[in-house]
Amino acid sequence: DVKVTQSSRYLVKRTGEKVFLECVQDMDHENMFWYRQDPGLGLRLIYFSYDVKMKEKGDIPEGYSVSREKKERFSLILESASTNQTSMYLCASRVEGGTDTQYFGPGTRLTVL
Amino acid sequence: AQSVSQHNHHVILSEAASLELGCNYSYGGTVNLFWYVQYPGQHLQLLLKYFSGDPLVKGIKGFEAEFIKSKFSFNLRKPSVQWSDTAEYFCASRSYNTDKLIFGTGTRLQVFP
Repeated sequence: DVKVTQSSRYLVKRTGEKVFLECVQDMDHENMFWYRQDPGLGLRLIYFSYDVKMKEKGDIPEGYSVSREKKERFSLILESASTNQTSMYLCASRVEGGTDTQYFGPGTRLTVL
Repeated sequence: AQSVSQHNHHVILSEAASLELGCNYSYGGTVNLFWYVQYPGQHLQLLLKYFSGDPLVKGIKGFEAEFIKSKFSFNLRKPSVQWSDTAEYFCASRSYNTDKLIFGTGTRLQVFP
């Protein structure tokens, strides 16, 4: 069964803290994605990775960075968290090629105080 | 820039009513189109997708969508909704020029018994 897991369902951090969101997939997928989901704005792509050590900016990369050292793991990093980064963060993975389905994790609801 | 529009932000229906959720995309070339669903507290999951061929696509749980190229539309339909269809529905498109999915802002569906 396809599985994408995220390290935390809920996270509360303070402004200025460095935040790591972890995502792991067990499907040997090449492509992985980080989105944020906000009411009325839908899903917006932050970063994606075609393969290990490869990354590309999405539509809203400012304030974020990513790391993909192993194929199964894709980390999203908030170098200095700010209140406007309070959101639901979704990770997804997909077989290389682009035509296949993206499989999503359960999401991490991050609150920055 | 490529975009996806969902004009219905919040839809309220009684059980057994028919459903149609609108989705319009902007890209004029070949597109892949998707409907994803997010049930309360659950992962975002694929409902159906269109790549080519028959423009009427059938998905899980009795949903279907029709691709109308001349109208740039991919509306989601279900002849008779159930309380369990209460969820948020996202339309997405992908063009052959990129590997990215562009999501609409989502439609929240509430079905009352």
